[in-house]
Amino acid sequence: DAGVTQSPTHLIKTRGQQVTLRCSPISGHKSVSWYQQVLGQGPQFIFQYYEKEERGRGNFPDRFSARQFPNYSSELNVNALLLGDSALYLCASQSQPTSGFGEKLFFGSGTQLSVL
Amino acid sequence: TQLLEQSPQFLSIQEGENLTVYCNSSSVFSSLQWYRQEPGEGPVLLVTVVTGGEVKKLKRLTFQFGDARKDSSLHITAAQPGDTGLYLCAGAWNKLVFGAGTILRVKS
Repeated sequence: DAGVTQSPTHLIKTRGQQVTLRCSPISGHKSVSWYQQVLGQGPQFIFQYYEKEERGRGNFPDRFSARQFPNYSSELNVNALLLGDSALYLCASQSQPTSGFGEKLFFGSGTQLSVL
Repeated sequence: TQLLEQSPQFLSIQEGENLTVYCNSSSVFSSLQWYRQEPGEGPVLLVTVVTGGEVKKLKRLTFQFGDARKDSSLHITAAQPGDTGLYLCAGAWNKLVFGAGTILRVKS
C-alpha cells in the first residue's frame, strides 16, 4: 500500500508569490493534517481536515488556507509568501481526527519550500 | 499555550553507550507520542503512552510517561549508528503539540 504522498518535493518561490502544496493520504484514511517544520524546530500544527471539513486550525495567519477533496486528498495554499515561510511542510494522515488518545499519524516526506 | 521542552537539544555519543532524552511540559496531556525523523523524511511514530507511570519497551528503547502525565523520557541502551536521527515528543490534546526535538548522533 502506498504511504502518504506529497508533491512537489522541493519548491523555490520568491517573496509575494503564492504556492499550492498537495497531499494524498493513505487509502482509507479520511483525516489529513498539515504541519510546518522550520529548520531546528519540531513540526507546528497548521490545519486538520476530516471528511472535507476543517476540524482544527493552528496559530497561522490567514495567508494560509487548505481544503480537502472528496477523495480525501488535500491542498495547502500560502499567499503573499514571506522569507519566514521557508520550511518543510508535512502532511499527515490518520483514519480519524485527533481526539487526544494517541491516534497514529502517518507522515509524508514533506515539501521543502524555499522563499527567496 | 502548551509547550513541550526537550533536552538535550543535541547529543553525540559513541556506539554502545546508553542515553536518555527528556520531554517536559507544564500541561497535562491525554497521551504522549515519540517520533523519530531522519533528514529529508517525515517523522515516524515509535510509541504512544497513555497512562501516567506507563513504561513501554521497544527492543533497546524504553519509554516512560510521568505519573502526572506532564513529562516523558526515552532511554536507549547500547546505542547504534542506526539510531541516529531527530527524536521528537508530541503531546496529544485536541491536536498534536511537538517539542523542538533532540538530535542524536551515534558514532561508530
